[in-house]
Amino acid sequence: QTVVTQEPSFSVSPGGTVTLTCGLRSGSVSTSHYPSWYQQTPGQAPRTLIYSTKSRSAGVPDRFSGSILGNKAALTITGAHADDESDYYCMLYMGSGTWVFGGGTKLTVV
Amino acid sequence: QVQLQESGPGLVKPSETLSLTCAVSGDSISSGYYWGWIRQPPGKGLEWIGSIYHSGSTYYNPSLKSRVSISVDTSKNHFSLKLSSVTAADTAVYFCARQLSDSSGYSYWFDPWGRGTLVTVSS
Repeated sequence: QTVVTQEPSFSVSPGGTVTLTCGLRSGSVSTSHYPSWYQQTPGQAPRTLIYSTKSRSAGVPDRFSGSILGNKAALTITGAHADDESDYYCMLYMGSGTWVFGGGTKLTVV
Repeated sequence: QVQLQESGPGLVKPSETLSLTCAVSGDSISSGYYWGWIRQPPGKGLEWIGSIYHSGSTYYNPSLKSRVSISVDTSKNHFSLKLSSVTAADTAVYFCARQLSDSSGYSYWFDPWGRGTLVTVSS
């Protein structure tokens, strides 16, 4: 079972807003897990979107934002574009020099 | 611009050792970052394998720790992965990546990533 949980799939309309979440099977996600987010299209390497909960990686459009919402990390896309259709993965720091990826969310823009 | 390139056999027999190398260009592997390996089985999600500092300090995924070894060669500006006693479950695309950190020294993330290399475990 995946320790870090993400919605398996999500859909959004072009121009719409969507929030993907990243939780823990047991416990709450906080800034001390230093969440990062990655975008991956089929056959490609992941691209870094967000690190340290809410900092955008160089070149990432400001329609992508990161936060903590309740007990989960969140990635919000505001004004979705067709080319935002991808798989999105979060990664959390679990302590003792170990990191865990979530199972990923397949985002459809339709 | 930092670039990473994975290389190694694309086919490994069950019970043997998988060996991959990640060549780093555009940055020195001794520049003060960690460097990591991540894998992705076909059609599945990402799994962190382990990370290494240029001094040789390592962190490993506890679920793979007994079979994994990551090393660094500063003279060749590359780092390597060995995974022993492989089975079909180790079939995956293997990515290498630089692991950046912020000023706190506690937050780490992977950027950039290599393009990945598919390793199939089969007899």
